[in-house]
Amino acid sequence: EAEVAQSPRYKITEKSQAVAFWCDPISGHATLYWYRQILGQGPELLVQFQDESVVDDSQLPKDRFSAERLKGVDSTLKIQPAELGDSAMYLCASSLAVEQFFGPGTRLTVL
Amino acid sequence: QQQVKQSPQSLIVQKGGIPIINCAYENTAFDYFPWYQQFPGKGPALLIAIRPDVSEKKEGRFTISFNKSAKQFSLHIMDSQPGDSATYFCAARFYNQGGKLIFGQGTELSVKP
Repeated sequence: EAEVAQSPRYKITEKSQAVAFWCDPISGHATLYWYRQILGQGPELLVQFQDESVVDDSQLPKDRFSAERLKGVDSTLKIQPAELGDSAMYLCASSLAVEQFFGPGTRLTVL
Repeated sequence: QQQVKQSPQSLIVQKGGIPIINCAYENTAFDYFPWYQQFPGKGPALLIAIRPDVSEKKEGRFTISFNKSAKQFSLHIMDSQPGDSATYFCAARFYNQGGKLIFGQGTELSVKP
């Protein structure tokens, strides 16, 4: 069964360092999403791509976060510099039509 | 502003019981309502979903009831099992914002043996 792949699964970093997360969507899925999930809450959309174009990045803190999907397939989410409040699970999802399928996530801890 | 309100926050039932999780929304721009199941340390897994032109949908032991006029929908888990212990999220999809999903706050379900 096709799955969304994410790496790393866990990341521990110090405040002010740079971190990057990678996502490989299900093959053929044109739409890719990055969500942030704070412990005990539901996921919140950070950025949405349609192929290589950004569709929605209204909730992305652009002073420190960036995302790219250069060839319209895999994607990278970067945080620079990381802050204590960025500790969360970062989830990638992809969709072909309406249904969104999530990856296992990257658990980020900022010390 | 919380656009999808989910309750209860936590729920404990005995094996075989029927837990019910409720969600309510205000925005009429939603056109698709999925439920996700999430185990600790894992990503959310799509469980079942419904469109607003359908009042009920059943898949295995999971049933969604949808009340369009009340802007409410709920998840029922029949014959619940300890393996169903997880956090459940309802969500709603904006049809006019690129398919963006808005999630509820989650319900932590515990099914006791």
